[in-house]
Amino acid sequence: DVKVTQSSRYLVKRTGEKVFLECVQDMDHENMFWYRQDPGLGLRLIYFSYDVKMKEKGDIPEGYSVSREKKERFSLILESASTNQTSMYLCASSFVWPPSYTFGSGTRLTVV
Amino acid sequence: AQKVTQAQTEISVVEKEDVTLDCVYETRDTTYYLFWYKQPPSGELVFLIRRNSFDEQNEISGRYSWNFQKSTSSFNFTITASQVVDSAVYFCALSEETSGSRLTFGEGTQLTVNP
Repeated sequence: DVKVTQSSRYLVKRTGEKVFLECVQDMDHENMFWYRQDPGLGLRLIYFSYDVKMKEKGDIPEGYSVSREKKERFSLILESASTNQTSMYLCASSFVWPPSYTFGSGTRLTVV
Repeated sequence: AQKVTQAQTEISVVEKEDVTLDCVYETRDTTYYLFWYKQPPSGELVFLIRRNSFDEQNEISGRYSWNFQKSTSSFNFTITASQVVDSAVYFCALSEETSGSRLTFGEGTQLTVNP
């Protein structure tokens, strides 16, 4: 069964901590994505990657960075977590075209 | 730039009613895909349908149907004879060929089906 796996379902971190959210896919997809979901705002794209070591900013990249050292793994990094980064984070992967997305189960991050 | 609008923030219906969720999109591409996803309280996104821009045929799957109209840039979703299990947040989304397959979501519509 193909899947996208996010390392944590729930996470609580302190303000100022460096936070790593990990995402692994087993479908050999070229593209990987990180979204943030907040009530009333839908899912907003933070960063995406179309190849190893390649990345592009999405709509809300501020306060985040990403790393893709291997094709199957895409990490989202909060350099210094803040309370306004409390949210649900969803990872996805897809072939380039036609697009067919597989989503992870999400990580609910709380920054206190 | 691609954009998706779901004007209905919340809809509440009584079981067995029909309900239509609206989706309007903006794109300059001629080649694109439209999607609908369901997000139940568990939080996982459940894929419902993918439609490409060259296929305007309406689709029916059980109690679900989709009406794609390029003339009005709309891709509406109808649930017939709604059930309590249909209660969820529903998202419409768009992927343009020239945007590297990035998926742009609407704000979502919270559907509550009451018994």
